[in-house]
Amino acid sequence: GAGVSQSPSNKVTEKGKDVELRCDPISGHTALYWYRQRLGQGLEFLIYFQGNSAPDKSGLPSDRFSAERTGESVSTLTIQRTQQEDSAVYLCASSPQMSVRFGSPLHFGNGTRLTVT
Amino acid sequence: DAKTTQPPSMDCAEGRAANLPCNHSTISGNEYVYWYRQIHSQGPQYIIHGLKNNETNEMASLIITEDRKSSTLILPHATLRDTAVYYCIARGYGGATNKLIFGTGTLLAVQP
Repeated sequence: GAGVSQSPSNKVTEKGKDVELRCDPISGHTALYWYRQRLGQGLEFLIYFQGNSAPDKSGLPSDRFSAERTGESVSTLTIQRTQQEDSAVYLCASSPQMSVRFGSPLHFGNGTRLTVT
Repeated sequence: DAKTTQPPSMDCAEGRAANLPCNHSTISGNEYVYWYRQIHSQGPQYIIHGLKNNETNEMASLIITEDRKSSTLILPHATLRDTAVYYCIARGYGGATNKLIFGTGTLLAVQP
């Protein structure tokens, strides 16, 4: 079946511009996560959605970053006034309703590679 | 969530078993041990998870010590395509997030 889809796969933008990154989760998955991975680094948690609500936004690095989710489906991560340090791969993951027994593993997309020049 | 400790890198010969260790000495009773891997330029891929019993699926086996302070991921017959960074994560339930906190993982290099 279809996995998590992210678009665009690559984005080059000029410093100061705004960008929108899109995530289409697996159908029926209620939880959605955004992570950031800088070159050669580990994954940094950004934000978590349960349905259309975001109970955990603790990883958003600044107020230039925001995200929304609609219809318990598509999510958009917006970065305003991009800076060079925003260059990274932005990864989206989804999982079904939490199940202690089945663990509800996260299913990741292949990310959007953002380059800020 | 409990912190996990993994060796930064390991080598394994193709066709041999790869045994990847993970220490999680502060793991609590409601935390599961998860393993993911990340092949270059791809998103992380779920491998397996367990609480206290050993687990096996089509990809790997997970051996958890009786005191749950450490575990080992076993790839029974490693292939070149198994070269990746392997992440061991202790994940609790309840609370607002159930998010996964990724450490630095183990870079497994399968050698021909």
